[in-house]
Amino acid sequence: EVQLVESGGGLVQPGGSLRLSCGVSGFTFSTYSMNWVRQAPGKGLEWLSYSRVSPDIKEYADSVKGRFIISRDSAKNSLYLEMNGLRPEDTAVYYCVRDHYYSFDYWGQGILVTVSS
Amino acid sequence: QSALTQPRSVSGSPGQSVTISCTGTSSDVVNYDFVSWYQHHPGRAPKLIIFYVTNRPSGVPDRFSGSKSGNTASLTISGLQAEDEADYYCCSSTGTYTWVFGGGTKLTVL
Repeated sequence: EVQLVESGGGLVQPGGSLRLSCGVSGFTFSTYSMNWVRQAPGKGLEWLSYSRVSPDIKEYADSVKGRFIISRDSAKNSLYLEMNGLRPEDTAVYYCVRDHYYSFDYWGQGILVTVSS
Repeated sequence: QSALTQPRSVSGSPGQSVTISCTGTSSDVVNYDFVSWYQHHPGRAPKLIIFYVTNRPSGVPDRFSGSKSGNTASLTISGLQAEDEADYYCCSSTGTYTWVFGGGTKLTVL
């Protein structure tokens, strides 16, 4: 069974940093591209970042480019999102998502990040 | 990248059909067949219901169908059931490994 479990969320002050983790199981992590998607309170879904292993490709939405960094550790079956320079508008539920033919087939349950003083 | 345009809400009675539109531009829907749709019950993880414009993942009922014409993709749900009440999002590739979602449509089953 495919499972994706996010962790690392919480309350952070504006300008602060946070690192989200996503532990995966049930599939060969190193052979799949992965993404982060978020949903701000009362808003729609927003794609944030993409990671492909071979070739090594990382892409970001303009809203987080230069502030967020996606990475992965195949030995630990884990995907990460390093978030820096956090703003109140980054407050959202963050989802770890598996890529499936240019769509997103498996989603974690999501983790809440709150940016507030 | 601007969000794709979806109606904020649609409704239908059990057994009826509803169609949700998703309007984009030449930067996304027009030039890419990587259009997908997601069903999202609040508090739960979103669920993929259509990929590559018209394809259903295993386990998704054939009551759900997708199409695309020009700058508009559409999701049609036939034989509405109470459990179909949810938020629905379209999504399109905007180039190599980047995507944009629609604003979401709330489906109410009357």
